[in-house]
Order: sequence, then C-alpha cells, then structure tokens
Amino acid sequence: GENVEQHPSTLSVQEGDSAVIKCTYSDSASNYFPWYKQELGKRPQLIIDIRSNVGEKKDQRIAVTLNKTAKHFSLHITETQPEDSAVYFCAASRKTGRRALTFGSGTRLQVQP
Amino acid sequence: SAVISQKPSRDICQRGTSLTIQCQVDSQVTMMFWYRQQPGQSLTLIATANQGSEATYESGFVIDKFPISRPNLTFSTLTVSNMSPEDSSIYLCSVGAGLLHEQYFGPGTRLTVT
Repeated sequence: GENVEQHPSTLSVQEGDSAVIKCTYSDSASNYFPWYKQELGKRPQLIIDIRSNVGEKKDQRIAVTLNKTAKHFSLHITETQPEDSAVYFCAASRKTGRRALTFGSGTRLQVQP
Repeated sequence: SAVISQKPSRDICQRGTSLTIQCQVDSQVTMMFWYRQQPGQSLTLIATANQGSEATYESGFVIDKFPISRPNLTFSTLTVSNMSPEDSSIYLCSVGAGLLHEQYFGPGTRLTVT
C-alpha cells in the first residue's frame, strides 16, 4: 500500500519568513496530493491540492510543488503570519479506484511574532 | 464544499461498552470514509463506507470491532464495540465532494474510554 513520509516534524519560523514542508510517497499510481491544516481541537481543513498533471500550484501565500519522477511534493508558505501556526498534513491518493487518503505524520508549524 | 456534522461531538464511555457515531452530510456524496486520530498523531483510515454494501476495512481494523452502516448517500454510522482505553481517540468521517472529489472532514467525535 501507499506510504507517505513527511518532514520536518516541527518547524519554527519568524513572522514574515518562509516555511517549507516536504513529503515523499511510495505508490507510483498516486496522482492526487492534498494538504490539510489542523488547528488545535479542530478538524483538518483542505488548504491546497495538486494533481499529477501539474508541477506547481499557487494560492496567494501558499504553493505546492510536485515531482512525480522523484515521488515528492512540498508545501511552501511565504510571508508567514502567527495565524499560520498549526499542524500541517500532506496526503496522497489515487483519483480512481481506491480514493482514500494516506496521510503523512504531520508538521507542527510555529510562527513566532 | 459539503456541510458535514457528527454526533456526538464527544463522549466518555466505560470499558466494554459500545458507542455509535453518526455522520450526516447536507448533500449526496459518493465517497464516505472513517478515520481515527489518536492524541498528537496523524490520521489513519479505518474503512471506506460503501452505500448498499459492506464497508471496506483497512489492515488492522475489523468489522466486529468497528461495524459501519451506510444506508444512503448522506448518512453513515461507525460503532466502536467492546471499548478499551486504547480506543480513546478522535473519530472523523470524511466525504468526497466537489467536481474533483476533494475530501472534507466532519468536526470529529472525541472518545474517552475509562
């Protein structure tokens, strides 16, 4: 089955700096890669996703890149703000057949004001 | 995105008892899933809830322990049976919605077993 590894487990940055979280996956059939943000005591929120026919996707301060050859994808947050502090999860799945998500272990991001 | 609700939001249960968690969606969805999130951990898929047929369970999860129902395209239940303290966790349902079947999560049920 799919295995998703995520690094780092914790990340502390100064407000205004950039943050990068990296994930690798094992199943070459995976072609959908979402990122979720989970604040304390709340449900995971989908913040951005990317599909295998795209190398990069951007939404305001958030961007995701995908390298299918190397089987890794990354989340980039620019101009970080204290409200970006949360746990971020990457995930992978197939668009057809078994569509359930396999999650990475999570990254706790702390943005210091 | 779909509006997803779960009941109960939290419960404290005694060892050996069972709890049924409900997941309700405000629109018909093809895909529904149940996940478990243990304290400070990531999300682990328990099973895919299939409408009109038996759920598909992941390795390490069995129907006798986690029976699932999905009577229609807007509703599903997960039962945690014969509970032990190790079952203390947050249980989340998710649905595949939108044109590209993005997955969205319910608010979760926080279960504590004493």
